[in-house]
Amino acid sequence: AQSVTQLGSHVSVSEGALVLLRCNYSSSVPPYLFWYVQYPNQGLQLLLKYTSAATLVKGINGFEAEFKKSETSFHLTKPSAHMSDAAEYFCAVSYAGNNRKLIWGLGTSLAVNP
Amino acid sequence: DAGVIQSPRHEVTEMGQEVTLRCKPISGHDYLFWYRQTMMRGLELLIYFNNNVPIDDSGMPEDRFSAKMPNASFSTLKIQPSEPRDSAVYFCASSFGAGGYYGYTFGSGTRLTVV
Repeated sequence: AQSVTQLGSHVSVSEGALVLLRCNYSSSVPPYLFWYVQYPNQGLQLLLKYTSAATLVKGINGFEAEFKKSETSFHLTKPSAHMSDAAEYFCAVSYAGNNRKLIWGLGTSLAVNP
Repeated sequence: DAGVIQSPRHEVTEMGQEVTLRCKPISGHDYLFWYRQTMMRGLELLIYFNNNVPIDDSGMPEDRFSAKMPNASFSTLKIQPSEPRDSAVYFCASSFGAGGYYGYTFGSGTRLTVV
């Protein structure tokens, strides 16, 4: 069955440091991949998506992710963390065999320390 | 577009009472999803509609939960009777297509507390 695994339920970085949030997927067919962000007391917001075009995807707020088929990964990065990046981040996958319905990871909570 | 609109933002009710959550999707979106989010279970898909027709309600926890979509611009999620374990944040999301290409647009959620 298709699934998404986010390694690390909590990640803590210093302001200005590299942000790396890990996501691995399991899919026997080409997937579409997404990262969403949830700020406190808000709904989820689409950060970026991979839909079989360029493997390096740029999103909002300086985030980017790279699709690596050989590693079945779609890790999210940002070169320099800002205090406002503190939030919950969710990785999701969809594939044709599931009617393109999103399958969600459990989320990673990012804390940014001053 | 104002985005996906949910009401109320917060609901506190007593055990046994009926609760109705409301959602207005983005105009033109043909899919609507209801999710529940808790610390213990994360994001759970409860039910989703395509063109106002329920497609999959296998995530609805019990018969106490029901959802309707009478038209393309409105959906409700009802819990009757409510129980303390129903306390959670309920999200509505809509998409064009099943969300596999464009993703979902989420509402701000309804925080339900059952006491």
